[in-house]
Amino acid sequence: DVKVTQSSRYLVKRTGEKVFLECVQDMDHENMFWYRQDPGLGLRLIYFSYDVKMKEKGDIPEGYSVSREKKERFSLILESASTNQTSMYLCASMRQALATDTQYFGPGTRLTVL
Amino acid sequence: GEDVEQSLFLSVREGDSSVINCTYTDSSSTYLYWYKQEPGAGLQLLTYIFSNMDMKQDQRLTVLLNKKDKHLSLRIADTQTGDSAIYFCAELSGGYQKVTFGTGTKLQVIP
Repeated sequence: DVKVTQSSRYLVKRTGEKVFLECVQDMDHENMFWYRQDPGLGLRLIYFSYDVKMKEKGDIPEGYSVSREKKERFSLILESASTNQTSMYLCASMRQALATDTQYFGPGTRLTVL
Repeated sequence: GEDVEQSLFLSVREGDSSVINCTYTDSSSTYLYWYKQEPGAGLQLLTYIFSNMDMKQDQRLTVLLNKKDKHLSLRIADTQTGDSAIYFCAELSGGYQKVTFGTGTKLQVIP
């Protein structure tokens, strides 16, 4: 059974803190994604990675960075958290190059920045 | 460019049919998807349709695609309380790695 896990379900941080969100998948997928979900805006792609140590900017990369040192793990980093980064963060993975493959999503991390 | 739009909210009575609509702007989209997100959970794929198809049926779900109008719909027959969730349409375009999601439609099923 496919599994994408995220390190925390809920997180509360203060403005200016460095925040790490971890995502792990056990399906040996090449592609991994980070989205944020906000009411009325749907899912917006922050970054994605199609291979170890490779990353590509999504639609809203500002204020974020990512790390993919191992195939199964994709980390999202907020260098200096701000209140407008309060959101639900969703990680997903997908096998490469097959359009009929779905993205498998983790349960999400609800981050609140005070 | 790519922009996927949905109405934000839909309320139906249990046993009725639900129709959730989606419009997209990228005519080069190859696959279109419907995802379901239950409260407190991630997204799960419900169904998908290839862009050269008009319709796809899967048990209680019917997907209709009007490529001329760039309109996608999801019909849920005999809607149940367990269908209450947020439904996202999404399109695959601009290369196989790019999936653009709609804003999501929250479906409320009234017993």
